[in-house]
Amino acid sequence: KAGVTQTPRYLIKTRGQQVTLSCSPISGHRSVSWYQQTPGQGLQFLFEYFSETQRNKGNFPGRFSGRQFSNSRSEMNVSTLELGDSALYLCASSIGGTTSSYEQYFGPGTRLTVT
Amino acid sequence: GDSVTQMEGPVTLSEEAFLTINCTYTATGYPSLFWYVQYPGEGLQLLLKATKADDKGSNKGFEATYRKETTSFHLEKGSVQVSDSAVYFCARQEGSGNTGKLIFGQGTTLQVKP
Repeated sequence: KAGVTQTPRYLIKTRGQQVTLSCSPISGHRSVSWYQQTPGQGLQFLFEYFSETQRNKGNFPGRFSGRQFSNSRSEMNVSTLELGDSALYLCASSIGGTTSSYEQYFGPGTRLTVT
Repeated sequence: GDSVTQMEGPVTLSEEAFLTINCTYTATGYPSLFWYVQYPGEGLQLLLKATKADDKGSNKGFEATYRKETTSFHLEKGSVQVSDSAVYFCARQEGSGNTGKLIFGQGTTLQVKP
């Protein structure tokens, strides 16, 4: 099976702009989670989508949003970019549903630089 | 709140040395526990997992045992290789039900010298 794919891999944006990142989960996986990774804060959970519904949300401002499509592909959007949004954004997919182990498989990430 | 604490790095070892990276967690209930590894410029790879107390996860020579008495999930390997150099993250599932939210430790950098 193909792994989790994320596009684009690298992005450079200017403060105030908005950005959309895309994630395609492993085939058959219905849950997609997003994480932000920075040297200072480490790995922080953004949100999780399951069957096109947001199921969990982390402590990020409303500028961060996401959605999931019927084929389980997910996008996240960051509006009004700030310098502090520069980070590696990681997407992870898992089977979802009623499984209790919830092992997640990560994509390679999108490196966002805000100037 | 729920948290995961890892030993600070970097950890520097010679090839074939024994590795231990400590990880402790706080939790109500018995969440699933994981170790992930991140190589430079890449995403996280699942290394091993344990879903209940006393479970031992193992993969590629790495092992970790779910210890509910000490709320720990220490990572061990008997003989490290240069290729094991990476950042290792301990993580726990939030809650114990249907959730895709993982809580991560801060990561421990391992450097293995030939």
